[in-house]
Amino acid sequence: GAVVSQHPSWVICKSGTSVKIECRSLDFQATTMFWYRQFPKQSLMLMATSNEGSKATYEQGVEKDKFLINHASLTLSTLTVTSAHPEDSSFYICSASSGTPNTGELFFGEGSRLTVL
Amino acid sequence: AQSVSQHNHHVILSEAASLELGCNYSYGGTVNLFWYVQYPGQHLQLLLKYFSGDPLVKGIKGFEAEFIKSKFSFNLRKPSVQWSDTAEYFCAVNARNGGFKTIFGAGTRLFVKA
Repeated sequence: GAVVSQHPSWVICKSGTSVKIECRSLDFQATTMFWYRQFPKQSLMLMATSNEGSKATYEQGVEKDKFLINHASLTLSTLTVTSAHPEDSSFYICSASSGTPNTGELFFGEGSRLTVL
Repeated sequence: AQSVSQHNHHVILSEAASLELGCNYSYGGTVNLFWYVQYPGQHLQLLLKYFSGDPLVKGIKGFEAEFIKSKFSFNLRKPSVQWSDTAEYFCAVNARNGGFKTIFGAGTRLFVKA
């Protein structure tokens, strides 16, 4: 099956700093990547959809200037949490889809746990 | 906007018991439906999916789900659970003209007692 890898899996940073999380599709070209945020004991909340070579589409309530998403190639998308604050602490999960048309079937990365002190 | 509702947040069963997890969605158009599973310490993975055709779909590890269009439901079932089925289960819906977004339910934590 398709493999998606996220890095880092765990990051701790100081308040006010920026953190970059990478999401790579290892054995397929991901036309679309999705970034989710998962709060403890809650479901995955879609943050944004990114398509290679174009600007990401953010969900309502998600600050695009705070959560910068770049999808520069068909195998790499990055999420940068800028000026992180403790309330940004969460589990961030990327997923990717392949093929056209998009069926909605997703392949998930391992997730990245961000702790902002 | 589409939404997904999972009826049970926590389920505790003994081994060999039968399992049914409820999932309902709200969207009037054509949908693709999924169940994903997250085992402890692992990433989400696909359990089964429905795109079209036979509304009873079979997935990995003996799981199956039935799409009932009139009820907007896609319940997950397994006749006899095992301790290794302890995990969190997420129902997900992708509306075919919904901008390719997949929306997840809140998840159901299943604990199977050995």
